[in-house]
Formats: sequence, C-alpha cells, structure tokens
Amino acid sequence: QQQVKQSPQSLIVQKGGISIINCAYENTAFDYFPWYQQFPGKGPALLIAIRPDVSEKKEGRFTISFNKSAKQFSLHIMDSQPGDSATYFCAASYRISSGSARQLTFGSGTQLTVLP
Amino acid sequence: NAGVTQTPKFQVLKTGQSMTLQCAQDMNHEYMSWYRQDPGMGLRLIHYSVGAGITDQGEVPNGYNVSRSTTEDFPLRLLSAAPSQTSVYFCASSYSKGPGLRAWNTEAFFGQGTRLTVV
Repeated sequence: QQQVKQSPQSLIVQKGGISIINCAYENTAFDYFPWYQQFPGKGPALLIAIRPDVSEKKEGRFTISFNKSAKQFSLHIMDSQPGDSATYFCAASYRISSGSARQLTFGSGTQLTVLP
Repeated sequence: NAGVTQTPKFQVLKTGQSMTLQCAQDMNHEYMSWYRQDPGMGLRLIHYSVGAGITDQGEVPNGYNVSRSTTEDFPLRLLSAAPSQTSVYFCASSYSKGPGLRAWNTEAFFGQGTRLTVV
C-alpha cells in the first residue's frame, strides 16, 4: 500500500518566521511530489511541486527540498504570514499500471498557524 | 470557469439511507477521483476513473459505488450509510502534462467538498 508520512501534525510559527513541514515515503515508484494548501471550508489547491531529478524548487516564499536517497522531502515557508495559516498536505504521485494515468497519495496534513 | 462542482455542500443521513454525491467538471479532464478527509488521516482515495466507462477502487472503497458515463460527471453513491462514513468528501479532476508514459505533472483540481454526517 502506498504511503506518505507527514510531520508535524500541527505547527505554530510567529509572523516572519520559517515554517518547515516534512514528509517521507517508502515506495520508489513515486516520481512527482506536490504540496497542497487547504483553507477551512475549501478544497485543497496545488501550491508547489517537484520532480525527483531536482533537489530544490523555489516559488516565492515557498521552497521544496527533496532528498531522493533518504526518500524525504520538505516544504519551507519563508517569512511566514498570518495568511499562510492553513492545512498543508504533501503528496506523491505514481503511474497507474501501464497507462498514462497517475494517482496521488496524500500525507496526513499539517495545520499551520502563523501568529501576528 | 466553474472547475469542479460538488453538490450538496452539506448532508445529514440516517443510518441505512442511500444517497448520491454529485461531481461535475468542465475542464475535459480524463481523470477523476473521490477522496474522503478525516481528522489526522489526510485524504484517502475511495474510487477513481481514468476515463468515461472506466472506474477502479482506491484505498477505502467499501460502502461506495461510482460510475462514469460521461467525461464531465463522476457521482459517488453511498449504498447504505453508516456512521463510519461521516466525513468530508472531495471530488477531484486532473490531467497529466507531457506525453504518454513520460507524463510528469498531475495537476489535481478539487471541488469545495461535501460534509456528510450519518446519524
């Protein structure tokens, strides 16, 4: 069974601080690693994603670090803002059987609170 | 510009009742899926479809049925509701960028969810 382990379950950070969320996986069939952001009452939305052939991807204040040998990846939110308060999910994607369709497996989520 | 539309947003069922959660997308995505979200457990895949007429089971399929008669619609049926099915349900649609087996990106677009309570 595909599985992605995410930590911490909750995180409280002061405004301007760095938020770090970690994920680990076992199955080497995973080959695409997106992060989703979810606000209360809304569906998850894609935030940033990385392929395993790069070790880091940065988009604005959000950075994914990827360690293929350790099978770990993490999300860093620099200069965290109260508007970043949300639940963050890491995910891993793999190809279903011999077709081109892909499937996502999600981590358990991290509830981030950024204090003003 | 609707994206993924789920109905209803809220529903209360009695144990043993059946109902259908509707999901429609207007992006012509080939891939659609249903997830349930429970506290501390993330999103777990119930069923998915890789195209009209093709469905398959995910991680937690028991008690749910799906069908995909058109590209746009992917309803989820609860056959006989149980309290354990109290959850928030999300429908998602996605596509793969890139050709065939070299497709990398899975951009999943989620609906706003259906909060279901079974009493």
